[in-house]
Amino acid sequence: LAKTTQPISMDSYEGQEVNITCSHNNIATNDYITWYQQFPSQGPRFIIQGYKTKVTNEVASLFIPADRKSSTLSLPRVSLSDTAVYYCLLRDNYGQNFVFGPGTRLSVLP
Amino acid sequence: EPEVTQTPSHQVTQMGQEVILRCVPISNHLYFYWYRQILGQKVEFLVSFYNNEISEKSEIFDDQFSVERPDGSNFTLKIRSTKLEDSAMYFCASFDSLNEKLFFGSGTQLSVL
Repeated sequence: LAKTTQPISMDSYEGQEVNITCSHNNIATNDYITWYQQFPSQGPRFIIQGYKTKVTNEVASLFIPADRKSSTLSLPRVSLSDTAVYYCLLRDNYGQNFVFGPGTRLSVLP
Repeated sequence: EPEVTQTPSHQVTQMGQEVILRCVPISNHLYFYWYRQILGQKVEFLVSFYNNEISEKSEIFDDQFSVERPDGSNFTLKIRSTKLEDSAMYFCASFDSLNEKLFFGSGTQLSVL
């Protein structure tokens, strides 16, 4: 079972860059690393995905070192609306199932 | 962006009653999932479904639970005899295997009294 470890919570201020790191020491060769965002009482929402090196989209960047045993989600210039729980997700080693860890609760303060 | 639709958004039931939670996955997806989230806790995997059969299920998914794709469109989760501890938000998800993305519905909040 691929397992991820993230900080339980983080605080930041508006306008700052936030980096959330996820450890996944047992990642499988064919696993992509995907990050999701969840607001209270809503379903998780896809943010970004990568396999190796760096990926950037309109909302975030994802940094993955060569050994792929960790990944870092970078949110540039966060705002109050970025307050949410962020999950790093891998597939279960048995197939197509995705296992959530406890996630990182990000609080953005004014 | 395509959406996974779940109904109802809220369901209140008495302990021991049967409930059916409904989902319409994204039409060209082949893998479907049910997850649940107890208030304040993490998202837990219940079951995955592929090619009209269960692909994998968790320990939570006991004999009280069943899933069905009755008409090629809807994907349902049935809880045969609800317990108080079944109170949670239930999320349906479908998987875009081409882009390796999971799409989640907005959830059904189930309250068992």
